[in-house]
Amino acid sequence: DGGITQSPKYLFRKEGQNVTLSCEQNLNHDAMYWYRQDPGQGLRLIYYSQIVNDFQKGDIAEGYSVSREKKESFPLTVTSAQKNPTAFYLCASSIGDSLQETQYFGPGTRLLVL
Amino acid sequence: GNSVTQMEGPVTLSEEAFLTINCTYTATGYPSLFWYVQYPGEGLQLLLKATKADDKGSNKGFEATYRKETTSFHLEKGSVQVSDSAVYFCALRSGTSYGKLTFGQGTILTVHP
Repeated sequence: DGGITQSPKYLFRKEGQNVTLSCEQNLNHDAMYWYRQDPGQGLRLIYYSQIVNDFQKGDIAEGYSVSREKKESFPLTVTSAQKNPTAFYLCASSIGDSLQETQYFGPGTRLLVL
Repeated sequence: GNSVTQMEGPVTLSEEAFLTINCTYTATGYPSLFWYVQYPGEGLQLLLKATKADDKGSNKGFEATYRKETTSFHLEKGSVQVSDSAVYFCALRSGTSYGKLTFGQGTILTVHP
């Protein structure tokens, strides 16, 4: 079955620690995205990548980093510089980046600070 | 900039009631419009979409019509079920927003038997 997988489902971060969230897709999609969801709010874009080895900052990139070394994978690192990391993180992908393309979402990772 | 405004929730209905969730938008150019649904603890699933004015998106009994003159994309369903209980997000993509989806704040729907 084609789809987007995210791991882990829950992640705990200690003060000063960097953590990495995994996102893998087997849909052969070129574009991938990371969004952050806070309670009672819509999603906000952190980073996006249109093709392998290229990525761009979204609206709230500070304190986050990404890489896109393979088409299928787009990991997100939450660094110690992100002072309020507790949130639900959603990865998405689309065939391309045109206006009409649908973005498909993974099941999400919930990050909690210890 | 782009923005999406959804009706305030939560919305509570009895089974078989009629559902309307209002969505209005502000965007540059001619955006594509989407409704996504999120069940508890899960990611978002596309419910329906419309890519040009007067298009009607439909899926699983839900419908929404892209109204350029009123900049709206209201979600409707004639008879809701308990299984429709979820959070519903209206979203748009425009040509000036580098592919990102701009989301409304979401509307919580609870349907009672």
